[in-house]
Amino acid sequence: SQKIEQNSEALNIQEGKTATLTCNYTNYSPAYLQWYRQDPGRGPVFLLLIRENEKEKRKERLKVTFDTTLKQSLFHITASQPADSATYLCALDMMNDKIIFGKGTRLHILP
Amino acid sequence: EAQVTQNPRYLITVTGKKLTVTCSQNMNHEYMSWYRQDPGLGLRQIYYSMNVEVTDKGDVPEGYKVSRKEKRNFPLILESPSPNQTSLYFCASSPGTEQETQYFGPGTRLLVL
Repeated sequence: SQKIEQNSEALNIQEGKTATLTCNYTNYSPAYLQWYRQDPGRGPVFLLLIRENEKEKRKERLKVTFDTTLKQSLFHITASQPADSATYLCALDMMNDKIIFGKGTRLHILP
Repeated sequence: EAQVTQNPRYLITVTGKKLTVTCSQNMNHEYMSWYRQDPGLGLRQIYYSMNVEVTDKGDVPEGYKVSRKEKRNFPLILESPSPNQTSLYFCASSPGTEQETQYFGPGTRLLVL
């Protein structure tokens, strides 16, 4: 069955640097992959969606890439700020209307 | 304001006492879903609904029921709660049939004693 892995539980990045988070899946390529931000005790908030026929998507300081050969998506935050500290989740569709989430990466931006 | 609301936000109950967590969205979304979130396990989908009267099991449906009688509401029912259902629950909705962007509710923290 499809599995999704975010390879870091936690990541510390110095303020101003680029944070790069990884999301890998194991089987078939999903139609799209999503990234969410979650703050403690709050619901996830949608950030970006990238489709299987798209290589890259950008939104302000955020960039997502999707490599169906590597079965991987990378999520970048450029010029990182302490306010970017949160847990970031990737999610993908299962081609049967189900959605699965990765366990998330806790990102800490150090001032 | 476009939003997903859940009630109650916090609930303490005892084993076996039936409870319902309500979820409502005001965006006329077709797709609605329930998740539970546990430390180390992440977000796991319990049930989802593509439209009124159409529901299906997610990855962890055991011990839960749902109904979708109206487009805006998607209650989660625990007929006989057990301590292993202690968790943080999120309801979510999205437009159309391709799910895409999901809008999450604020969460319901449930403790079953």
